[in-house]
Amino acid sequence: SQQGEEDPQALSIQEGENATMNCSYKTSINNLQWYRQNSGRGLVHLILIRSNEREKHSGRLRVTLDTSKKSSSLLITASRAADTASYFCATPPADKLIFGTGTRLQVFP
Amino acid sequence: GAGVSQSPSNKVTEKGKDVELRCDPISGHTALYWYRQSLGQGLEFLIYFQGNSAPDKSGLPSDRFSAERTGGSVSTLTIQRTQQEDSAVYLCASSTWSNQPQHFGDGTRLSIL
Repeated sequence: SQQGEEDPQALSIQEGENATMNCSYKTSINNLQWYRQNSGRGLVHLILIRSNEREKHSGRLRVTLDTSKKSSSLLITASRAADTASYFCATPPADKLIFGTGTRLQVFP
Repeated sequence: GAGVSQSPSNKVTEKGKDVELRCDPISGHTALYWYRQSLGQGLEFLIYFQGNSAPDKSGLPSDRFSAERTGGSVSTLTIQRTQQEDSAVYLCASSTWSNQPQHFGDGTRLSIL
């Protein structure tokens, strides 16, 4: 079974709007990671948040982590057409990462 | 380049043939992973190598799948007697250590006719 599941499965917004994606996981973790995948390419690591952190920023990205609810969110502010991609959360329940099912984000110019 | 390199980028073969997919990880990365991704789907973990430890093969879907990592560097994923359901993109990733951010290649798109 999947360790992480993203919600929503698909999201369409206009350029300039904010996009929020959520991730739920099942077991205890020491960190949670978010990745982006452009069509036809491999995944690119975006940000890692440790279990003792509640919020982390990187440029237009803001990630929150709620270990009591076993959930995380990724916020992309002031979205651009180039942000169109699939976004995955990943958690290491043991010594390897388990990826969620992904959110497909479409940003219209 | 300094990234993860996979070859070939595309492979078309007939059902029943064997295929070998290659991954060159980032130099110095001790952890190497193989995943499978079907069209529009998430990543399915296949196998994980960490240093000189025995690999974690728990994700391999059948005994037709095997992988090696020679000299702690290059890895080869072999699929024997390919079936149409093996058609997918096979992604390789490496990281400095387990649980750390992974660096991905662009994958091998495998099509079984």
